[in-house]
Amino acid sequence: GAVVSQHPSWVICKSGTSVKIECRSLDFQATTMFWYRQFPKQSLMLMATSNEGSKATYEQGVEKDKFLINHASLTLSTLTVTSAHPEDSSFYICSAPSTGGPGELFFGEGSRLTVL
Amino acid sequence: KNQVEQSPQSLIILEGKNCTLQCNYTVSPFSNLRWYKQDTGRGPVSLTIMTFSENTKSNGRYTATLDADTKQSSLHITASQLSDSASYICVVSPKTSYDKVIFGPGTSLSVIP
Repeated sequence: GAVVSQHPSWVICKSGTSVKIECRSLDFQATTMFWYRQFPKQSLMLMATSNEGSKATYEQGVEKDKFLINHASLTLSTLTVTSAHPEDSSFYICSAPSTGGPGELFFGEGSRLTVL
Repeated sequence: KNQVEQSPQSLIILEGKNCTLQCNYTVSPFSNLRWYKQDTGRGPVSLTIMTFSENTKSNGRYTATLDADTKQSSLHITASQLSDSASYICVVSPKTSYDKVIFGPGTSLSVIP
């Protein structure tokens, strides 16, 4: 089946630095990818929709300047957490819809961000 | 408002026992319903997907049912194993926006020896 890969799996950074998380579709092209944030014991919360060749669409309440999204190619989307603070510590997951049918979503393995 | 609810919030069962997780949704119109398994610290993995015309779908020890009239779905796990310990998430796709799926809060299952 389709595979979506995320990197890094976990990252620890100092407050004020920026962190980039990559999401790749390994065996299919994805013009759209989704970025989620998940807090402990809670479900996934959609942050933004990444669109290849155009600007990302952010959900209400998500800071565009804090969470920069770039969809540089049909297989790669990146999420950059800028000037990270401890409250940005979370589990970030990406997904990509496959061509297999409506609602077919494949998720990455997730990236655990800890900001000290 | 489109919503997905799941019950129970958490469940503990003995290894080898069966269990059933519930999902109720108010999404309309409806395209499909998926059950995902999410291990701690990992991304969700798809277990089953059903369209409105399907009543049941099996994947090994996992069997999902769907009643589109009552807008209810269940996930039955047979002969549970320790590796079944995870969060199980019900995800519904609205017909109007296939990719903007709606996530349930999940059921945390713990299988103990």
